[in-house]
Amino acid sequence: ETGVTQSPTHLIKTRGQQVTLRCSSQSGHNTVSWYQQALGQGPQFIFQYYREEENGRGNFPPRFSGLQFPNYSSELNVNALELDDSALYLCASSPAGTAYEQYFGPGTRLTVT
Amino acid sequence: QKEVEQNSGPLSVPEGAIASLNCTYSDRGSQSFFWYRQYSGKSPELIMSIYSNGDKEDGRFTAQLNKASQYVSLLIRDSQPSDSATYLCAARTGNQFYFGTGTSLTVIP
Repeated sequence: ETGVTQSPTHLIKTRGQQVTLRCSSQSGHNTVSWYQQALGQGPQFIFQYYREEENGRGNFPPRFSGLQFPNYSSELNVNALELDDSALYLCASSPAGTAYEQYFGPGTRLTVT
Repeated sequence: QKEVEQNSGPLSVPEGAIASLNCTYSDRGSQSFFWYRQYSGKSPELIMSIYSNGDKEDGRFTAQLNKASQYVSLLIRDSQPSDSATYLCAARTGNQFYFGTGTSLTVIP
């Protein structure tokens, strides 16, 4: 069974640019969530997708947006990058029919200069 | 006030001892609680979840939930050096998830 995968592993962008991060859910998982983890902090919930619809969102501005595809893979898009967007971005998927236990991918380290 | 609060530590215990990690949450509507372990430079790894008041045991780990006190804890028995990591507590309220900042645990051989 393949776990949650994310790409790319590392990314360097310039302030003002746009970025797309990708996530493939673990087999059998139909819910995906995205988190931002700054150094020394816990993960901050960005949003959750279920059946291709956003069904939960944290305190992040609209320039953070996402998509979930029919195969349950997902994208996180961030527009107008700011220096404070530099962080580890984590994707987590949950199995169908369980009580929200989430399994994390390895993350994408984004650096904004 | 943060939704989920943890003592950042560091917490040090000798090998073989019991490590006790604590977490409080502010929203009485929180329904599910989770403990994750995160090694430096790695992503969080689910240890266990708990939804009902009381204790839940899984191997060397025991999670405890007290909804009246809005308190969650994790006990690690027979601590091993490989348990040295940051432990994250998380709470789910509806479709929102809140993580604490984590407690750093060091198990001394």
